[in-house]
Order: sequence, then structure tokens, then C-alpha cells
Amino acid sequence: GAVVSQHPSRVICKSGTSVKIECRSLDFQATTMFWYRQFPKQSLMLMATSNEGSKATYEQGVEKDKFLINHASLTLSTLTVTSAHPEDSSFYICSSAGGWVGAAETQYFGPGTRLLVL
Amino acid sequence: KQEVTQIPAALSVPEGENLVLNCSFTDSAIYNLQWFRQDPGKGLTSLLLIQSSQREQTSGRLNASLDKSSGRSTLYIAASQPGDSATYLCAVSGNTPLVFGKGTRLSVIA
Repeated sequence: GAVVSQHPSRVICKSGTSVKIECRSLDFQATTMFWYRQFPKQSLMLMATSNEGSKATYEQGVEKDKFLINHASLTLSTLTVTSAHPEDSSFYICSSAGGWVGAAETQYFGPGTRLLVL
Repeated sequence: KQEVTQIPAALSVPEGENLVLNCSFTDSAIYNLQWFRQDPGKGLTSLLLIQSSQREQTSGRLNASLDKSSGRSTLYIAASQPGDSATYLCAVSGNTPLVFGKGTRLSVIA
């Protein structure tokens, strides 16, 4: 399967700072990338869907001004958590797909980024 | 709105035992169903993907079944090993991207 990387794998920051997480599709062109958030012992919750070259589509309840997503190329999407607060501490996972996912398209998941906001 | 439920939430079994994990979903209009494995603090590893037209998929000691009409899937693990200890997530794909269950935390005791 395709390889997706995330950087950093772990980040600790002070409350009020911004944190950028990168998601890279290493061996295929990802037309669509997804960002998920997972709280301890909870399921993955989709935050937003991004298509290369266009604005991300955010799920209900996710603040687009707080979670900035940029998908400028077919191999890179970034998630910036602006003015992070302790309640934003979570495990963030991205996934990549070669096209619109709703049919048989497989999503390839990154290893995740653990964010801890002090 | 699609909802995915996994039962049990946690399971502990002795090594060598066969076991079944359950997944149910509320909207049967799905394209496919996937089972993933997640180790603590790690990302997801895809185990099996069942298309909506299929009844089951097998990979090694794993067998996943799908009953789309009743909104159910099971993951059968044969001859469990301590290395199988992880959280197993079920996810369905329909008109929206993947919707995940909360997972079943499996512990296989040596």
C-alpha cells in the first residue's frame, strides 16, 4: 500500500501558540486528504476533507479559523492548530486517497501526531 | 447520519483462543467496510476491506464477514497470539468518508 508520513510525530507546546502538522503522501498523488482527531479511548472523528488546490471542507463543529488546512500540492497537506489550548490536545491523523472517497477508494493513513498543549 | 458501534469495548483472552469482534452500522447504504488495527499511540493499519457486494474477506488468521442488510460485520481471529493485542477499529464508507467505531481493545494473555 501507499506510504503516508506525518511530521512531527509528537509535539508539546504552550497554550496560545500555533502548531503546524505536515502530512505527506510519499509514493502516490493524493487528490484528497483527510484530517482526523482522536481523543483517548475514542474513535477517529473526521475534522475536514481537503482537495488539492481548493479550500477544505470542514465537518460540523470544527472551527475552520482554528484548524487551518492547506493542500497546496498532490503530496502535501498541512494542518495548523492556531492559538492552541489544552482542550486541543489530541492525536491527529491524516489519510490520503487518490480520488474522491465514497466508493471503493482506499484511504492510506499516516502514523499520527500527538499534540499536547500545556 | 451513519453510526458505527463496536462490541465489546474491551476483551481479554488467553493465547490460542479463537475470538470474534462485532461491528454494527445504522445505514446499510455503504460502499465498503474496513477493519483496522491500531497499536497504542500509533496510526492505523488496514487489515481487511470488504466491498458492499462481498460477504467476507480472509487474510491469514483473520476473517471478516459482512451482512449489509442487517448492518453487521464480524472480525474473526483464529488462534490468537499476544502480538494480536491492539485496538481493532471498524469503519464504513458510504456517501461520506469513513465513519469509525470506537474500537475493541484486545488483550491476548500469554
